[in-house]
Amino acid sequence: DTGVSQNPRHKITKRGQNVTFRCDPISEHNRLYWYRQTLGQGPEFLTYFQNEAQLEKSRLLSDRFSAERPKGSFSTLEIQRTEQGDSAMYLCASSLENRQEIFGPGTRLTVT
Amino acid sequence: QKEVEQNSGPLSVPEGAIASLNCTYSDRVSQSFFWYRQYSGKSPELIMSIYSNGDKEDGRFTAQLNKASQYVSLLIRDSQPSDSATYLCAVTGIAGGYQKVTFGIGTKLQVIP
Repeated sequence: DTGVSQNPRHKITKRGQNVTFRCDPISEHNRLYWYRQTLGQGPEFLTYFQNEAQLEKSRLLSDRFSAERPKGSFSTLEIQRTEQGDSAMYLCASSLENRQEIFGPGTRLTVT
Repeated sequence: QKEVEQNSGPLSVPEGAIASLNCTYSDRVSQSFFWYRQYSGKSPELIMSIYSNGDKEDGRFTAQLNKASQYVSLLIRDSQPSDSATYLCAVTGIAGGYQKVTFGIGTKLQVIP
């Protein structure tokens, strides 16, 4: 499979716990993006990497959120001290330079 | 004013009809425009991209762009029940030296058999 993959696909956690999601982009893509999508809304930009450099982070992203792409390949998104408002679909996308973004299947987070 | 505006719908069309989906954007320097299809519970899937004024056709889909009016649309000809989904309009603009993609809320399309 040469598409974008994300793991896990579903995560249920209790409020206050930390969670980490992984994204493996298409291998030749140098750009990687994280989005959050809640019901009835479009994807909301969280952060963006070009290779291993995190070039932009949304003002909407609180300090509880951190993302890494250590070797310019896969990326992780960690949410610390989860809150019920963090429940959403977390989408990863990748692209080659500024060409169209290809999305992964997403990780659905439920915070109870 | 939202950066990318879409009517959330639902837009209901009978099978075989033309579905017309509309999107307006606020940033005049926007450069690239995309339509994504999203089935319930699934991730967005790119179906069309358009970069210059005019029409772009791909099978049953036609994207139309009018930069002067800051308007982009998607026409789906011979609509099928399998086209029933939410259609997201996405627009890129320059932000800090890279092209940030902004999505609309999506228009829900229902094709009635």
